[in-house]
Amino acid sequence: DAKTTQPPSMDCAEGRAANLPCNHSTISGNEYVYWYRQIHSQGPQYIIHGLKNNETNEMASLIITEDRKSSTLILPHATLRDTAVYYCIVNRGAGNMLTFGGGTRLMVKP
Amino acid sequence: NAGVTQTPKFQVLKTGQSMTLQCAQDMNHEYMSWYRQDPGMGLRLIHYSVGAGITDQGEVPNGYNVSRSTTEDFPLRLLSAAPSQTSVYFCASRGSDRGAYEQYFGPGTRLTVT
Repeated sequence: DAKTTQPPSMDCAEGRAANLPCNHSTISGNEYVYWYRQIHSQGPQYIIHGLKNNETNEMASLIITEDRKSSTLILPHATLRDTAVYYCIVNRGAGNMLTFGGGTRLMVKP
Repeated sequence: NAGVTQTPKFQVLKTGQSMTLQCAQDMNHEYMSWYRQDPGMGLRLIHYSVGAGITDQGEVPNGYNVSRSTTEDFPLRLLSAAPSQTSVYFCASRGSDRGAYEQYFGPGTRLTVT
């Protein structure tokens, strides 16, 4: 699986959009970009995934660059409950287990 | 659905003791896996299974055994506990369908080995 690089920490004001970047310059054509988050030592929670196109669901949006070498997870209106460690993972998908890096610790402040 | 359940929530062992961490899921998922998370680190894969009777090693398998006799259960056995195995252990499952991308994680078992 391709390696990912994320900033170790970020701050965001409550109510503002949180934009979490991820670099995955060695991604292969058949690898997906996944985002998970972990709130205070709970089990990780799936957020969103994508292959080429931008994706949106009820939790977040995922923007993948045209060359697929980087992506951004967007939480449109961050709340205090979004304070967590966010993991960007590149994976071939079906049948493959996840490889977690260090993630980005997002702190949402009032 | 209860999702993925893990027992116990907390456990303290002495060096050399053995124990089994239990994991069960009620979503009829084929894929199950065990991860460990050390303080301030990401999760690392210990063992995984792609179906009943089929298991394979992950990144850090030494000191652990697994078996998968049913679709629902995937226990993790510590053979002879060591202080280096102090960690939080997470079990996860996912479906095998083409569109089943999401992994579901349990709440974790916090293990301390003294």
